Amino acid sequence: DAGVTQSPTHLIKTRGQQVTLRCSPKSGHDTVSWYQQALGQGPQFIFQYYEEEERQRGNFPDRFSGHQFPNYSSELNVNALLLGDSALYLCASSRTGGWSYEQYFGPGTRLTVT
Amino acid sequence: QKEVEQNSGPLSVPEGAIASLNCTYSDRGSQSFFWYRQYSGKSPELIMSIYSNGDKEDGRFTAQLNKASQYVSLLIRDSQPSDSATYLCAVLNQAGTALIFGKGTTLSVSS
Repeated sequence: DAGVTQSPTHLIKTRGQQVTLRCSPKSGHDTVSWYQQALGQGPQFIFQYYEEEERQRGNFPDRFSGHQFPNYSSELNVNALLLGDSALYLCASSRTGGWSYEQYFGPGTRLTVT
Repeated sequence: QKEVEQNSGPLSVPEGAIASLNCTYSDRGSQSFFWYRQYSGKSPELIMSIYSNGDKEDGRFTAQLNKASQYVSLLIRDSQPSDSATYLCAVLNQAGTALIFGKGTTLSVSS
């Protein structure tokens, strides 16, 4: 049973560029959430996608956008990159409608902005 | 602003001892609580979820929840060096969408 997968593993970008990160949820899951984790901090919620719609958004600027595809996979896009966007980006999958609210994380994408 | 607070540590325990990790949260309406383990350079791994007051045991791990005191804890019995990691407490928001994390407690188990 495949777990949550993310690509790429690492990415180095320059300030002002744009980046796209990808996530495939765990088998049987239909909901994808994205989190940003800065060094020494807990993950911070960016947004959640369900049924191809953004269901909730955290306190992140519009430079952060996303998409969910019919197969439940998801993309996170960040425009006009800033040095402060350097972080570990985590995708978490879950199943809406079940009794469990557990979210399972993928391995993450380490983004470095120079 | 909903908050989750944890002592950052490090918490150091000898091998075989009980490690006790604590967490408080500010949103009294929260209903779902989770503990994640994160090894250095890796992503968080879910180790326990708890929804009702009281204790929940899974192997060497016991999660404890007291909603009246807005307090969650994780006990690790017979601690092993392989338990050395950062432990993140997470509380699900009332909408059931976003996890709100503490900054994590670093646990070091010495052999």
